[in-house]
Amino acid sequence: NAGVMQNPRHLVRRRGQEARLRCSPMKGHSHVYWYRQLPEEGLKFMVYLQKENIIDESGMPKERFSAEFPKEGPSILRIQQVVRGDSAAYFCASSRQTNTGELFFGEGSRLTVL
Amino acid sequence: QKEVEQDPGPLSVPEGAIVSLNCTYSNSAFQYFMWYRQYSRKGPELLMYTYSSGNKEDGRFTAQVDKSSKYISLFIRDSQPSDSATYLCAMISDDYKLSFGAGTTVTVRA
Repeated sequence: NAGVMQNPRHLVRRRGQEARLRCSPMKGHSHVYWYRQLPEEGLKFMVYLQKENIIDESGMPKERFSAEFPKEGPSILRIQQVVRGDSAAYFCASSRQTNTGELFFGEGSRLTVL
Repeated sequence: QKEVEQDPGPLSVPEGAIVSLNCTYSNSAFQYFMWYRQYSRKGPELLMYTYSSGNKEDGRFTAQVDKSSKYISLFIRDSQPSDSATYLCAMISDDYKLSFGAGTTVTVRA
């Protein structure tokens, strides 16, 4: 019974490059969320997706960031033209239902921008 | 003012001691209250889950919610070195966005 799978676990990019983070939710879960965690800060909501739909992207910067959850395959968080301030841990979570807060998190993808 | 306030610690206790963690919040619409545990370089895992005010006990862990004071607590009895982690409080209203505290780092000394 695999949990939420994220890859890569660690990613190093130079400024201006693209970062692509992938997330496969738990089996039976149709709700996917992305959160960002900066050092000494709590997790911050970025985006909520269901299959083929972005439900809420209000926590995601308007520029350079995008997310998708296609009919087939994992959810992808894409960051274009990365800057040093994008360095953070990005966590994906999934849930069977929404509105209850019972999220199951992946191990995270740690992005370092040089 | 942050929506959820949590003392980051760090907190260091001897093995067997009671660990007391707490958070305050400002949004009276919050209905569900959670505690997540996060080991170093790992993802958060759900530890305790409470709906509205009251107490909930699970083994050595007790979660308390006082909505009138906008205050939640987590107690760990008979703490073990394996309890050393960062504990994050989280809460949600009637939507899907969890609001997290900054996390309290706990070290249990053997």
